Amino acid sequence: QQQVKQSPQSLIVQKGGISIINCAYENTAFDYFPWYQQFPGKGPALLIAIRPDVSEKKEGRFTISFNKSAKQFSLHIMDSQPGDSATYFCAAVLFGGATNKLIFGTGTLLAVQP
Amino acid sequence: EAGVTQFPSHSVIEKGQTVTLRCDPISGHDNLYWYRRVMGKEIKFLLHFVKESKQDESGMPNNRFLAERTGGTYSTLKVQPAELEDSGVYFCASSQDRDMDADTQYFGPGTRLTVL
Repeated sequence: QQQVKQSPQSLIVQKGGISIINCAYENTAFDYFPWYQQFPGKGPALLIAIRPDVSEKKEGRFTISFNKSAKQFSLHIMDSQPGDSATYFCAAVLFGGATNKLIFGTGTLLAVQP
Repeated sequence: EAGVTQFPSHSVIEKGQTVTLRCDPISGHDNLYWYRRVMGKEIKFLLHFVKESKQDESGMPNNRFLAERTGGTYSTLKVQPAELEDSGVYFCASSQDRDMDADTQYFGPGTRLTVL
């Protein structure tokens, strides 16, 4: 059973447009929701993260919107640029246990066309 | 500061052979994680070391996989014997502290394993 579901699988956006990637989770005990960005040939890198007591977090052109009651969160990329073309993974973490392992979604391949 | 490094970047082996993957974490990071992504699916947790001790190995698929972390520095992941379903990209990540505010996991570039 997949604990974090991510959509869409792929996304094509025109330069300057808004990219939106959605995730849903099952476990209400999750403490932390990071988004990772992965470029070809590189490992995933932390992009932005949010805790469930906050409804929105913005860093530059990247915003996480968090809906605790719906158990959903999304990444919005404003003014999308070709350099944003990458695979994006949402994830969830449950702190306080034996490990802070990341539980990932399946990833979204974003292509921003010039 | 050097990031997480992994070796090799690619490995192609025959079914039944043995392969050993290596990960060098960021210096000073006590936590080391192994993950795997099978094509098109999510990145899945395999195991977590704190220094040289296995903290959680609940994600290891079966006893064909053996992970070690000698002296709390680099780690190896051995697959013996390899099966077709072991193909995928194996990522290593390290973090400094398990405290919530300091536990950013930094990933290596991964090892792409293909079992024929």
